[in-house]
Amino acid sequence: GENVEQHPSTLSVQEGDSAVIKCTYSDSASNYFPWYKQELGKGPQLIIDIRSNVGEKKDQRIAVTLNKTAKHFSLHITETQPEDSAVYFCAASRDDKIIFGKGTRLHILP
Amino acid sequence: EPEVTQTPSHQVTQMGQEVILRCVPISNHLYFYWYRQILGQKVEFLVSFYNNEISEKSEIFDDQFSVERPDGSNFTLKIRSTKLEDSAMYFCASRELAGITGELFFGEGSRLTVL
Repeated sequence: GENVEQHPSTLSVQEGDSAVIKCTYSDSASNYFPWYKQELGKGPQLIIDIRSNVGEKKDQRIAVTLNKTAKHFSLHITETQPEDSAVYFCAASRDDKIIFGKGTRLHILP
Repeated sequence: EPEVTQTPSHQVTQMGQEVILRCVPISNHLYFYWYRQILGQKVEFLVSFYNNEISEKSEIFDDQFSVERPDGSNFTLKIRSTKLEDSAMYFCASRELAGITGELFFGEGSRLTVL
């Protein structure tokens, strides 16, 4: 089955700097890669996703890239703000089941 | 904005007891899921449900687990005889469309503590 690895587990960046979170997946048939943000005490919330026919997608300060050959995908957050502090999960899916990475705890330092 | 709601927010139970976690998915959604998150770990798929039957389940979802849609609005997860290792946050999720086309919406979770 699919296995998703995520790095780093913890990331601290100065407010205003960029943050990058990287993931790899194992199942070459996976074709959907969502990213979720989880704030304390809440459920995961979709922030951006990318499908396998696209190499890059951007939504304001957030961008995702996908390299299907290498089975890598990554999340980039630019101009980080305090409200970006949360746990971020990458995930991969080829059908109805979404497989999550272990999460990255992002701290935005003042 | 429509949301997935879950009850209870926190349940404490003794080992061996039965637990039912309840979820009300978003009203026009047809596909329902349960996920589990052990403290500090990743979110793990348990089961998917469509058209009143299980579509897929993980290895975690053994005979002690069952799901039901008892009426037009609720979706429940039952753990028959809880074990210590069942302690986790359980998330219900729903989506309008199948597969990769529909966004998956999560509830805020039900924290289960087994003593």
